Amino acid sequence: NAGVTQTPKFQVLKTGQSMTLQCAQDMNHEYMSWYRQDPGMGLRLIHYSVGAGITDQGEVPNGYNVSRSTTEDFPLRLLSAAPSQTSVYFCASSRTGPTEAFFGQGTRLTVV
Amino acid sequence: GENVEQHPSTLSVQEGDSAVIKCTYSDSASNYFPWYKQELGKGPQLIIDIRSNVGEKKDQRIAVTLNKTAKHFSLHITETQPEDSAVYFCAASRGWDTDKLIFGTGTRLQVFP
Repeated sequence: NAGVTQTPKFQVLKTGQSMTLQCAQDMNHEYMSWYRQDPGMGLRLIHYSVGAGITDQGEVPNGYNVSRSTTEDFPLRLLSAAPSQTSVYFCASSRTGPTEAFFGQGTRLTVV
Repeated sequence: GENVEQHPSTLSVQEGDSAVIKCTYSDSASNYFPWYKQELGKGPQLIIDIRSNVGEKKDQRIAVTLNKTAKHFSLHITETQPEDSAVYFCAASRGWDTDKLIFGTGTRLQVFP
């Protein structure tokens, strides 16, 4: 049972480049979310999804896009990377609603 | 929207002592309060949670207390061990299927042998 899988684990981007952070879960969870973690600022919610085809904004959505075409996958897209998006990104999933969430191992992104 | 404040940001204790981490929240409609432990290089892991119809919940050496009137909740770790060293996060949510989970800023706990 893999749980929540994030790829890649590490990524370096140049300013202005685009990329997609992948998140997949094999627990048939309806609820998925993306957080970024920065020193001293905890985990801040970027976007979340309550089920396939439904997404909503979190606390810090600017500069990020998401879609949820399947229950299993919830990719996070950076359209034009900026140094301010240097962070560790975590994906989480839970059966229904934001309770008892399972987190992935994270993606460390550096934008130069 | 919901805002969660967490204190202290760092906490150092001697092995065997107790540790207490406190959080306050702003949304009076919040009714789900989880605590997560994050070890170095790993994702956060749920260690205990409490809902607003319960004032206290225990699981071996950890306990969480909730005061809905004052809008604060706390994590208590007794008989601390070096393996308790980690970053701990509190969070709050209304718990609805469509709601968000908002986290505090974290507490780095160090347990010295």
